[in-house]
Amino acid sequence: SQQGEEDPQALSIQEGENATMNCSYKTSINNLQWYRQNSGRGLVHLILIRSNEREKHSGRLRVTLDTSKKSSSLLITASRAADTASYFCATDALGALTFGKGTMLLVSP
Amino acid sequence: DTAVSQTPKYLVTQMGNDKSIKCEQNLGHDTMYWYKQDSKKFLKIMFSYNNKELIINETVPNRFSPKSPDKAHLNLHINSLELGDSAVYFCASSQQANYGYTFGSGTRLTVV
Repeated sequence: SQQGEEDPQALSIQEGENATMNCSYKTSINNLQWYRQNSGRGLVHLILIRSNEREKHSGRLRVTLDTSKKSSSLLITASRAADTASYFCATDALGALTFGKGTMLLVSP
Repeated sequence: DTAVSQTPKYLVTQMGNDKSIKCEQNLGHDTMYWYKQDSKKFLKIMFSYNNKELIINETVPNRFSPKSPDKAHLNLHINSLELGDSAVYFCASSQQANYGYTFGSGTRLTVV
């Protein structure tokens, strides 16, 4: 069954704005990961946050994890048109990643 | 050099046919996976192999049979293809727990 649920399903912003995507999950996890998928391409790993971590940064990306609420957020700062893609959260609890439905992000120039 | 490569990239075939998708990784990872992505972009795990041994076999019709000749290869054979098998199939690999996955670019399968 599906583990993660992203919110919103779609997000449209202007270049330079920040984009925030949220993910909720149902069971205990070892870690939570975020991936990006450009149209017609494979998924690219962005960032991994372990269950004992609360926040992690990578370049313009900031991920938070609240295990008490079983939720995570991905913040992309100073967005660019090239950030246009689908973003998925994935949880590692059962020996393989279980993905949410994703958030489609559109960044307009 | 491509880390996880899948072939073919596109596959169009008729119902009832048997087809295979190949996957190879040159990262030295121990675990490989097959995922299916449907038209709504939902990704579902199908199989997982660790060092040639089947670890995960989700509820997948037995028309789907993975084969791992060595830990760098995980192929997917599909018998008696059905219209509902149309999807994008992704191969991925990972080194161990708490590491990200590396995905291939996908195989778009269309059954007509």
